[in-house]
Amino acid sequence: NAGVTQTPKFQVLKTGQSMTLQCAQDMNHNSMYWYRQDPGMGLRLIYYSASEGTTDKGEVPNGYNVSRLNKREFSLRLESAAPSQTSVYFCASSEAGSTNQPQHFGDGTRLSIL
Amino acid sequence: RKEVEQDPGPFNVPEGATVAFNCTYSNSASQSFFWYRQDCRKEPKLLMSVYSSGNEDGRFTAQLNRASQYISLLIRDSKLSDSATYLCVWGGTGGFKTIFGAGTRLFVKA
Repeated sequence: NAGVTQTPKFQVLKTGQSMTLQCAQDMNHNSMYWYRQDPGMGLRLIYYSASEGTTDKGEVPNGYNVSRLNKREFSLRLESAAPSQTSVYFCASSEAGSTNQPQHFGDGTRLSIL
Repeated sequence: RKEVEQDPGPFNVPEGATVAFNCTYSNSASQSFFWYRQDCRKEPKLLMSVYSSGNEDGRFTAQLNRASQYISLLIRDSKLSDSATYLCVWGGTGGFKTIFGAGTRLFVKA
C-alpha cells in the first residue's frame, strides 16, 4: 500500500551541484505534480504532468527540469543547485487530468543547499 | 491580495471544543475545493473534498459560501490528535492550477 514514494528523504548539496529527485506512484494515476513548500507559504507548483508523455510548467519552474519516465514515475532535476532552492519537495498524483480530483502526496524530500 | 488566504493562527483550543477556520479565495471560477491536514514535517493528507455547498464527515464539516468567496472548516469535539496545520485548496477550473493556502495551525490541549 505504498501510494506515492519519493527518494531520497533528505539531501544536502553544495551550490552548483546537480541532483534528481525521484517519485513513483502505484495508484495508476494519470497526473503527477512536483511542489515545493517553504515556511509561511503554501505549496507552490513547480511542474506537472497531465498524462504520460506530457509535462508543463507550474508557478515556479525556473532552475528545475522534469521527466515523466512512464505512467508511474516523475522525476525532478536540479541542474545547478542554489541556496534559494533549499526547501521541502513534495510529489503528488491524481486520478484524472484535472484539479477537480484530489491529489495524493508522497512524504517529501528535505533538501538543503549550502 | 493572495489568491487563497488563511488565518495562520495558531488556534489553541481545549479538548472537546468546537473550532472553525475560514479560507477566502479571490477567483470565483472554481468547481472544487479541498481541505488537507498536514502534521509537522509530514506530507499533506486529504481531509475533505467540497464540490457543492458543503460536505460533512464525522466531526468535520466544510461549508462553501460562493457569494462571499470563502470556505470554512468546522471541527466539533476536538481531539488531541486533531492538532495539525489545515490547508485550504482552491481546486481550479478544470485545468491544473491548484492553489494551496499557507495553512492554519491548530493546537488542541488536554
